[in-house]
This record gives sequence, structure tokens and C-alpha cells, in this order.
Amino acid sequence: QVQLQESGPGLVKPSQTLSLTCTLSGGSISSGSYYWTWIRQPAGKGLEWIGRIYTSGSTDYNPSLKSRVTISLDTSNNQFSLKLSSVTAADTAIYYCARDYYGSGSKFDYWGQGTLVTVSS
Amino acid sequence: DIQMTQSPSSLSASVGDRVTITCQASQDIRNYLNWYQQKPGKAPKLLIYDASNLETGVPSRFSGSGSGTDFTFTISSLQPEDIAIYYCQQYDNLLFLTFGGGTKVEIK
Repeated sequence: QVQLQESGPGLVKPSQTLSLTCTLSGGSISSGSYYWTWIRQPAGKGLEWIGRIYTSGSTDYNPSLKSRVTISLDTSNNQFSLKLSSVTAADTAIYYCARDYYGSGSKFDYWGQGTLVTVSS
Repeated sequence: DIQMTQSPSSLSASVGDRVTITCQASQDIRNYLNWYQQKPGKAPKLLIYDASNLETGVPSRFSGSGSGTDFTFTISSLQPEDIAIYYCQQYDNLLFLTFGGGTKVEIK
């Protein structure tokens, strides 16, 4: 049973770097036709794709966030991580990690439960 | 980027009603569209992929259709457990995936 679990600080100060980790259980992060993805959702608003990493380590990012985002892979711990620099209150959101299966197009077939990150001093 | 416009933004229907949500893409996205259901306090759940394919384990009252720029999501007989927000998502531009703004479904 594939499960994803986000972890990291729930409170980040403005101008600092948000750091989150997603741990995969029930599978190997280095195998299969998957992108490992971060998506966020401000309270009461819609979903925003942040970016993804492939098992090779190649990445794609939302153009509006690209200058501030880094997604990395830690295959030894079956994890992938998000770093978002120079955060502001506008980055306050629930952050989800998800598996994007591209074996047939693209679909987010497994999601973590989400973690709320608040940007505040 | 490809803009996805959903309508209506919210709707209220009775149990047993047929519910239809539309999603319009700002350009031709072929059939590269998924639908998700998000219940309060939960992560989204994949319901439909490739515009019309039902994800494994999803009840058959859910369906999707369309191609090009216009897509439809249907609940054939609304159930109380279907109360949620529904999102469409395009993957024609694989370098920038985008979602619709969501449709909130409530029971009348």
C-alpha cells in the first residue's frame, strides 16, 4: 500500500526558507514511471502545482515559483524534499506531496495528507 | 500557461439528482484531463483520468467526457458522500500542470 507523508516546520518566518520532506512507504522512490510532486493549496483556495522530480533527478517547476523552488531526491531514505526560499505570507498554504504516474499520460494517483505551513513572524 | 475554467463555482442539488460540471481549457488539450474530488480537510482523490477513464475503485456514478477544450464531469445520482469540491487538471503542457478553480457540490 503506497503511502506518502509530509513533514517539516509548520511555521516559517518571512524571508526565510520553507523546507518540507515527503516520505514514501509501500514502494521504492527510485523505480517505476513516476514523478514525485509538490502541490499547495492556500486556505479556501484552489490547487497550485509547485513542481516535480523524476527518478533521474531531473526537475520541472512552476514558472511563477521557479526562481525560489528546489526539489531534491533522497533515494537512500525513500524521500523527496521541497525548499522554497524568500517566503512571504502569500506562501502560507497546505502543502501536499503526490505521486504523478506518467506511464499513461499524467495523473496524481497518490497524495500525502498535507501539511499546513504558515509564514509569519 | 493553459488556463482551466470550471463552472459553476458551486452548486446545490438533491440526493439522487444528476450533477454536471464543466471545465474549459484555454487551448486544445486533446483528452489530457483529470478530475479530482476533495472532501473537507482531506487531500484530493483522483476520480477520472484521460478525460473519461474511471480510476480503479471509483463508483460508476462518476463519469467524464470531452476533448479539445470542453470537458464535462457528471455524477449520475448524487449521494450524500459526494459532498466535496471537484477539480479538473490538464497535463497537455507537461512542464506546467494547472488546475481549474474548483466546483463546490452541496446537498440541497
